[in-house]
Amino acid sequence: GQQLNQSPQSMFIQEGEDVSMNCTSSSIFNTWLWYKQDPGEGPVLLIALYKAGELTSNGRLTAQFGITRKDSFLNISASIPSDVGIYFCAGSSNTGNQFYFGTGTSLTVIP
Amino acid sequence: KAGVTQTPRYLIKTRGQQVTLSCSPISGHRSVSWYQQTPGQGLQFLFEYFSETQRNKGNFPGRFSGRQFSNSRSEMNVSTLELGDSALYLCASRPVSDYGYTFGSGTRLTVV
Repeated sequence: GQQLNQSPQSMFIQEGEDVSMNCTSSSIFNTWLWYKQDPGEGPVLLIALYKAGELTSNGRLTAQFGITRKDSFLNISASIPSDVGIYFCAGSSNTGNQFYFGTGTSLTVIP
Repeated sequence: KAGVTQTPRYLIKTRGQQVTLSCSPISGHRSVSWYQQTPGQGLQFLFEYFSETQRNKGNFPGRFSGRQFSNSRSEMNVSTLELGDSALYLCASRPVSDYGYTFGSGTRLTVV
């Protein structure tokens, strides 16, 4: 199946720093989702985006639906230790029934 | 409200056996999807059910099947298990009006 290109693959940052990651697709998507996964658990939905150009925030997290509809971005401001985990993007080009997931960005926050 | 519940959490099977995994969605969610997660392949879509009907299927062999019951609970079955089927199997549900899936904690299947 289709796989989204997510970068960077991993990040090691100091607590308090801002984080940026992105996701690109060869196809146009109508919906973008961003998830965070902790070890041994299922992914947890962070932000959902439904319109090109849309910018949505959830606390310190901000995500954008790229205007080309082929990419999306996630920013985390003032990182804290509990931000550690793997972040996944997911996109869908149809009515939202089938989502394709990115390869994940592993985030490590150094206190 | 209760989240998505998957049972069992862990399972060990031998090659050639079959396995059934269960998923109880959030109350009111009629759409249930299944994903396979492995370190090498990431999250791969298996299938999606809505009102007891399979609406989408990913690129997996016919050994992988599923079904959904009238109460929206879903099961997936894998027959003739292979070593490569070892993975975390995730179930996710969503309401009709929203595309944001809520995932369960998964079933960790190990095939030996």
